[in-house]
Amino acid sequence: NAGVTQTPKFRILKIGQSMTLQCAQDMNHNYMYWYRQDPGMGLKLIYYSVGAGITDKGEVPNGYNVSRSTTEDFPLRLELAAPSQTSVYFCASSDMGGEETQYFGPGTRLLVL
Amino acid sequence: RKEVEQDPGPFNVPEGATVAFNCTYSNSASQSFFWYRQDCRKEPKLLMSVYSSGNEDGRFTAQLNRASQYISLLIRDSKLSDSATYLCVVNSLGGATNKLIFGTGTLLAVQP
Repeated sequence: NAGVTQTPKFRILKIGQSMTLQCAQDMNHNYMYWYRQDPGMGLKLIYYSVGAGITDKGEVPNGYNVSRSTTEDFPLRLELAAPSQTSVYFCASSDMGGEETQYFGPGTRLLVL
Repeated sequence: RKEVEQDPGPFNVPEGATVAFNCTYSNSASQSFFWYRQDCRKEPKLLMSVYSSGNEDGRFTAQLNRASQYISLLIRDSKLSDSATYLCVVNSLGGATNKLIFGTGTLLAVQP
């Protein structure tokens, strides 16, 4: 199993550009999550999904959108990138909700200039 | 008050030392507790779950005190490879699903 994969590993965006961060998992997990991690800060939940077709906002959803058309994929869309979105983005999945271990992807480092 | 609070460190300890990290959480209804490890520029990975009775995995011991809403991690005989950031994680109740709340982490640097 590849586990949780994320692409790209690193990206530089100009202010106002858009991009999609890709996330896929091959563990047949129902739950998937997107976090951002800023230096010296804890992981902040952006969006999560409890199954295909179901998504919900986390703690810091503004400026982002998600979709979950399949169990495997959970892309994160950034519209109109801003410098405040410079961060490391982690995708994670789990078989159940908050009682279960979450498995993380390797992360995407995003720099908005 | 933050939902999960940790001492950010850094904790600089010599090889072979015993080091303890503490964490407090604010939601008394939380049911699941974890310690994750995050190496520099890597993703977090589960180190161990924390059970009410306390649990041990080799050199690592985790304990939970529900009355004080306090979690601890003890590392004995520290190795250079233990150098990492240790994240205290607690589940947050409510909404469509329970979610995990991550502390900001405690940085451990084991010195030769």
